[in-house]
Amino acid sequence: NAGVTQTPKFQVLKTGQSMTLQCAQDMNHNSMYWYRQDPGMGLRLIYYSASEGTTDKGEVPNGYNVSRLNKREFSLRLESAAPSQTSVYFCASSDPGIKVFKNTEAFFGQGTRLTVV
Amino acid sequence: AQTVTQSQPEMSVQEAETVTLSCTYDTSESNYYLFWYKQPPSRQMILVIRQEAYKQQNATENRFSVNFQKAAKSFSLKISDSQLGDTAMYFCAFPYNTDKLIFGTGTRLQVFP
Repeated sequence: NAGVTQTPKFQVLKTGQSMTLQCAQDMNHNSMYWYRQDPGMGLRLIYYSASEGTTDKGEVPNGYNVSRLNKREFSLRLESAAPSQTSVYFCASSDPGIKVFKNTEAFFGQGTRLTVV
Repeated sequence: AQTVTQSQPEMSVQEAETVTLSCTYDTSESNYYLFWYKQPPSRQMILVIRQEAYKQQNATENRFSVNFQKAAKSFSLKISDSQLGDTAMYFCAFPYNTDKLIFGTGTRLQVFP
């Protein structure tokens, strides 16, 4: 099984350029997430999608947009890249279910190292 | 607000020794899971262990165990018989609003021979 697949793995952008990070999961999960990882900051949630057709802001949404294209795919777009968006980006998915005690174990892609110069 | 705090940015341990990584969290919820993830230099995020908050018994996975103290909102990870392959970043994670997983800032663990 592929699990969670992110593309690309590496990217260099110039300030002001735009790009879309793609993410797809084949585990039939309802929830999908985009995180960014910076030294000393841990993983910070950018956006998440609890189900197909819904998206919500996380801790650091400014400068990003997302699209939950279908149940499998969740993309992250940088409209006008800035050096502050240099980071490692992770896509993840989970299926908490409908039980009271929701198991939100997340499965991660391999990450995208993005550099904005 | 929901927060997850890891107060040890870096830890080191000798091979075969035991090390404990700390994590505290803040929540008003009563039913949830807690997680420890490992991130080796490969950058892959790997689930190490999970704890169900409604269970009194601490979770154990081989050399990894947790000390879960619900009243104190503390969730520490103990690694016994440390191995060189345990060298990695370790993140504590907690599901905010039961469906958004938020992470601590991480602890970098170095295992020395």
